[in-house]
Formats: sequence, structure tokens, C-alpha cells
Amino acid sequence: QSVLTQPPSASGTPGQRLTISCSGSDSSIGSNSVSWFQQIPGTAPKLVIFNDNQRPSGVPDRLSGSKSGTSASLAISGLQSDDEADYYCAAWDDGLDDYVFGTGTKVTVL
Amino acid sequence: QVHLVQSGAELKKPGSSVRVSCKSSGDSLSNYAINWVRQAPGQGLEWMGGIIPIFGTTNYAQKFQGRVTISADESTNTAYMELSTLESGDTAVYYCARDRAGSGWFGWLDPWGQGTLVTVSS
Repeated sequence: QSVLTQPPSASGTPGQRLTISCSGSDSSIGSNSVSWFQQIPGTAPKLVIFNDNQRPSGVPDRLSGSKSGTSASLAISGLQSDDEADYYCAAWDDGLDDYVFGTGTKVTVL
Repeated sequence: QVHLVQSGAELKKPGSSVRVSCKSSGDSLSNYAINWVRQAPGQGLEWMGGIIPIFGTTNYAQKFQGRVTISADESTNTAYMELSTLESGDTAVYYCARDRAGSGWFGWLDPWGQGTLVTVSS
């Protein structure tokens, strides 16, 4: 089971700013870097944030990541219809010695 | 640009094994951790384990210890994931993904293969 907790859903209108939370523990987010993945249904996940707040080339700067203590967040500003997808946080968990994914958040653009 | 291309869909009987391949094109996979992640229908992502081919080291999720074997053939630039003693709960799309950080376990998975659907049914 996931040890990183995310809200099941989030929604906003075009142009709005949306934030997705990811709650972990001292042994996961508190000790290791966080990655965020975007998955459009029927396709493979895509890395959008790594090392807590870095963007791979090609990912728009409307997406940003942050971390504080045992929690992390993904912010999407200037929300667009292209942002509709499932989003997963992930980090290594030193206690489990496993790489763990969050429960996932479905983002809907109204 | 690096691409990971996986083998095709599989239909397996309960109790059997499946092997999925993941071929890297555009770059050698030897110097990177290659991870395997699965996703059951309508469910989230689940890490299974990985390998760093240049070191020959593997790292398996506790849940799959003893049932999964991950290997790599550097000569063909291909990684493999074999899962044994299949049951219906193993029906899922299986993905390979390279760690962009290189030969370490950072979890910065990019890129991903296209996925391989494994269906377990009698």
C-alpha cells in the first residue's frame, strides 16, 4: 500500500492556480528527494518534477514543486486543459527500503 | 534522445511466469538504474524493483522479493523483468523506466517505456 498520501481529486478553471499535496514521513519525504509524475489515461507516466523542485527540459515553468519537512506539493499555475491528468508523487522510503508512489490525484479542468 | 521499447502484450495462466523486455535505443542503459513499475487496472503506480547493469546490482521491493527477477543484457542494451507464480492480481500494465540520475537509486524516472499489458487468466 502507498505510504505517500495525496488528495484523490483536485479541480480548477482555466487560468487558475492549483496545488496538490503529498504527505509522507521522516523516512520517505523527510529523508529523500521527491519526484512528480503526470499520467494521461492510457499513456505511460511522465516525469514533471525531480529532486523536489527541478523540471526536466520541456516541462513548462507553470509546474513547480516544493517540499517542507515530511510533505511536498506540486503547483500548477495558469491551469490549461492539457493539464488534465493523474498526478503521482514518489520518493524512496528508507524505512521500507522501497521506492514508494503516492495514492494519486486526478486533476480536472472545469 | 533515449527511447525505451518494451515487448508486446502477454496472456498467461495462473501459476505460470512472464518475462517482459525493455530495449534502450539512443543511449546505453548500462550506466543507469533501470526500474520496473506496474499499474493494475484503474489503480495507482507500484514500484517492483530495478537493476544497475554496470554494477550488476539489483534492488527489489519487499512485496515482490522471491517472485521477481530483474536482469540486463548490456550487449543488446535490454533489461528484463520476470515475474513468477502469477495470479489474477498480477494483471497489470508493466513499465520500465530509466533513472535520469545515472547509476544510483534516486527515483528520477525518465524516460518510461510504453508499457506491456500482462493479463493473467485461466
